[in-house]
Amino acid sequence: QSALTQPASVSGSPGQSITISCTGTSSDFSSYNYVSWYQHHPGKAPKLMIYDVSNRPPGVSNRFSGSKSGSTASLTISGLQAEDEADYFCSSYLGNSAFYVFGTGTKVTVL
Amino acid sequence: EVRLAESGGGLVQPGGSLKLSCAASGFPFSDYTMHWVRQSSGKGLEWVGRITRKSDNYATTYAASVKGRFTISRSDSKNTAYLQMDSLKIEDTAVYYCLRGRLGSWSFDCWGQGTLVAVAS
Repeated sequence: QSALTQPASVSGSPGQSITISCTGTSSDFSSYNYVSWYQHHPGKAPKLMIYDVSNRPPGVSNRFSGSKSGSTASLTISGLQAEDEADYFCSSYLGNSAFYVFGTGTKVTVL
Repeated sequence: EVRLAESGGGLVQPGGSLKLSCAASGFPFSDYTMHWVRQSSGKGLEWVGRITRKSDNYATTYAASVKGRFTISRSDSKNTAYLQMDSLKIEDTAVYYCLRGRLGSWSFDCWGQGTLVAVAS
């Protein structure tokens, strides 16, 4: 199963909004709404930011939002802050055919 | 505090075996599906497999790349998940992570720090 494609890097200034895309080629990716997003600061364990396309776990800032249209899911970070600088990757459940696939990862830089 | 701690990684020759452990703390371990994921140097993350909770019959599922060679098990009394890796190949070299499946979701809400497995002669 091919990895989900993400841009290698995205940057923005404090206060701005940025969007990270996550594109899949599998028809299962388009069919299932089980995309999740993770924030990963180097040296720390990844943190779940969004699950099931657009749901935030308790404690995650509402500056993080998710959406999906067809074969592309997106993570938007609004009001960008210095602490948001990290690697972000998406993941999707694809059913019994392949179970889970991960994105290639995006490095977010706060200018 | 919810915590997962992997151990057991190391250097092994091709064709050899290794067993990883994932010690869980801070939550009712028996209520959760546990997953293993790996990341090779310079490559992306790859889901390895999972074991469900007792109420779901401890069902195991594996990625095609490891099926028949890797076995996931768990001990709810020890709050520990295991990954038995047999017939190891050079391409199995990676950092292996233990993950907790989020209840009611197909996502992962807790990750360990990982343990390195190197397969080389």
